[in-house]
Amino acid sequence: DQQVKQNSPSLSVQEGRISILNCDYTNSMFDYFLWYKKYPAEGPTFLISISSIKDKNEDGRFTVFLNKSAKHLSLHIVPSQPGDSAVYFCAASHLTGNQFYFGTGTSLTVIP
Amino acid sequence: NAGVMQNPRHLVRRRGQEARLRCSPMKGHSHVYWYRQLPEEGLKFMVYLQKENIIDESGMPKERFSAEFPKEGPSILRIQQVVRGDSAAYFCASSPDLNQPQHFGDGTRLSIL
Repeated sequence: DQQVKQNSPSLSVQEGRISILNCDYTNSMFDYFLWYKKYPAEGPTFLISISSIKDKNEDGRFTVFLNKSAKHLSLHIVPSQPGDSAVYFCAASHLTGNQFYFGTGTSLTVIP
Repeated sequence: NAGVMQNPRHLVRRRGQEARLRCSPMKGHSHVYWYRQLPEEGLKFMVYLQKENIIDESGMPKERFSAEFPKEGPSILRIQQVVRGDSAAYFCASSPDLNQPQHFGDGTRLSIL
């Protein structure tokens, strides 16, 4: 039962352009969302988060958008850089829960 | 300021042996989480612990798997009588409180011969 879904397993973007990574969830109780970045042979690294009281959160080149009615969130990276090439996971939780639910990841390749 | 430390990084076991995976959380973090990642899949929650207590083990297989986080020392994920299907990357994460971003270790890659 995959409660958090990343339907695009991979994405290629030209350096300098915008990367948009998408994530959908099914549990309407989720109210806290995060994006992680993962390089091969390393653990995931926290990137940015958003709570359900907001619809946008920005940190440098990274912006996360939340559409609660559509149960959809997205991560925008602009401008994309070759060092952004990695697997990106979205995760969700709810305040009364004990765990984060992770998507299956999207592998981003930024082409120089 | 050391991050989450996991060891060993790679562990090879034969079927039927025991595997012990260790995790030292970040300094000041009292919440520890274990995840498993199978090939081509995302991270699956296994267990959430605080010092000396298992808070949520809803993601743990009912048999052969156990976890602890003693008052002193690292958290241990123990797999008894390993089988081929246990081959995976096991990640540990820690956080200072519930529903805070979790910081991950680099994982232990378990291979079963």
